[in-house]
Amino acid sequence: AQSVTQLGSHVSVSEGALVLLRCNYSSSVPPYLFWYVQYPNQGLQLLLKYTSAATLVKGINGFEAEFKKSETSFHLTKPSAHMSDAAEYFCAVSRETSGSRLTFGEGTQLTVNP
Amino acid sequence: SAVISQKPSRDICQRGTSLTIQCQVDSQVTMMFWYRQQPGQSLTLIATANQGSEATYESGFVIDKFPISRPNLTFSTLTVSNMSPEDSSIYLCSALQGDAIAFFGQGTRLTVV
Repeated sequence: AQSVTQLGSHVSVSEGALVLLRCNYSSSVPPYLFWYVQYPNQGLQLLLKYTSAATLVKGINGFEAEFKKSETSFHLTKPSAHMSDAAEYFCAVSRETSGSRLTFGEGTQLTVNP
Repeated sequence: SAVISQKPSRDICQRGTSLTIQCQVDSQVTMMFWYRQQPGQSLTLIATANQGSEATYESGFVIDKFPISRPNLTFSTLTVSNMSPEDSSIYLCSALQGDAIAFFGQGTRLTVV
């Protein structure tokens, strides 16, 4: 079985500050990990994915995530927050590189303060 | 990349009735999925829509409550049957093309009153 835990349902940062959204996973097989973003009243958009090619993964909009097997973590970071980053972020795990049949975390709502 | 269109985008329904949600992709896809996002919660996979055969349901979801059709490689429907307020959720369609990453529609926001 696979599961994902996102620590912190709400994260608030100032514009220009570091963004850190935490994700820990549990998987009985090598996991494929994903971060999605959901803007208000929109569908999910893929930010980045880990599929074992490299532990540090760079995504869109300046986000990146590092896969740490020893910590079973895949935290999402961005060096400098922008107002447009305000959204809900979901970490997800799949048995397949394609991201089919995803198991999602609870989500983290990111607020960016001016 | 391909685009998913879902209809309706939102609806308010009376309890006891059924609603069918349509998912149309603008090009052929290999797999299609349906997810539910209950208020304040994460997304949960309901089922995999199989073309030409019965859908594969996840634990906790049954065909009688969520019948799914997939008559071809670009279209699927999800019906929410005998609705109750607990069915109020966002329902999202997802699809897969070859080796590409699965992508999502914008969802259908359902409110049951």
